[in-house]
Amino acid sequence: DARVTQTPRHKVTEMGQEVTMRCQPILGHNTVFWYRQTMMQGLELLAYFRNRAPLDDSGMPKDRFSAEMPDATLATLKIQPSEPRDSAVYFCASGLGGLNEQFFGPGTRLTVL
Amino acid sequence: EDKVVQSPLSLVVHEGDTVTLNCSYEVTNFRSLLWYKQEKKAPTFLFMLTSSGIEKKSGRLSSILDKKELFSILNITATQTGDSAVYLCAVVTEGDSNYQLIWGAGTKLIIKP
Repeated sequence: DARVTQTPRHKVTEMGQEVTMRCQPILGHNTVFWYRQTMMQGLELLAYFRNRAPLDDSGMPKDRFSAEMPDATLATLKIQPSEPRDSAVYFCASGLGGLNEQFFGPGTRLTVL
Repeated sequence: EDKVVQSPLSLVVHEGDTVTLNCSYEVTNFRSLLWYKQEKKAPTFLFMLTSSGIEKKSGRLSSILDKKELFSILNITATQTGDSAVYLCAVVTEGDSNYQLIWGAGTKLIIKP
C-alpha cells in the first residue's frame, strides 16, 4: 500500500527554534510538493520539485524557509527561525509528471509558541 | 492575478439530497482543473478535468468543466453522511518555465442524517 509518509506528525516548539519536517514520497513518483494549510489562508503551495530539482518556491518565505530533496526518497522543509505565525499543518504530496493527481501525506501539525 | 473561487463556502443538507458545488476561475494559460475531498486529514484526489463538456464520473460523484464560462461543478447524488468533508478545487496553469497550482478556499459540506 504505497503512501506518502511525513515525520513528525506533530511538533510543538518555541519561537526562534529550527524546525525540520521530512517527507518520503511514494516510490517512483518524480514530483514532490510542500503545502501549508491554515484556517485563515486555506491550502497554500510553498514549493515543488520535479526529479529533485526545485521548480517553484515562490510561495515560500525565503528568509526563513528552505526546501530540499537530498535524494529521491527524502524531501525536507526547514524553518529557521520559527515564528508563531508559522503554526499550521504542513502537507507533503507526491505525483507523477506534472501538476495532476497528487497523493498527500498525513501532514505535520506545527505549533510555534 | 489568477484566482479560483468556490461557492458556496459551506452547505448543510440532509442525507439523500443532491448537491452541486461550484468552482469558477480567472487564470491565464489554463491547463487543468482538479477536485479534491478533504475529511479530517489530507486531501484525496477525486477528478482531473482538462476538456470542456466531458463529464467525469465516479459512483455518486460527477464533475464537468465549462472552459467557455470558466467554471466547473461537482455533483454528489444521494448524499451520505460519509460525504461530509471540505471539497477543494485547484486550477493548474502553465507558465514560461513551470506550472502553477491555484487552490480555491473550499466548500465545507455537512450531510445531516
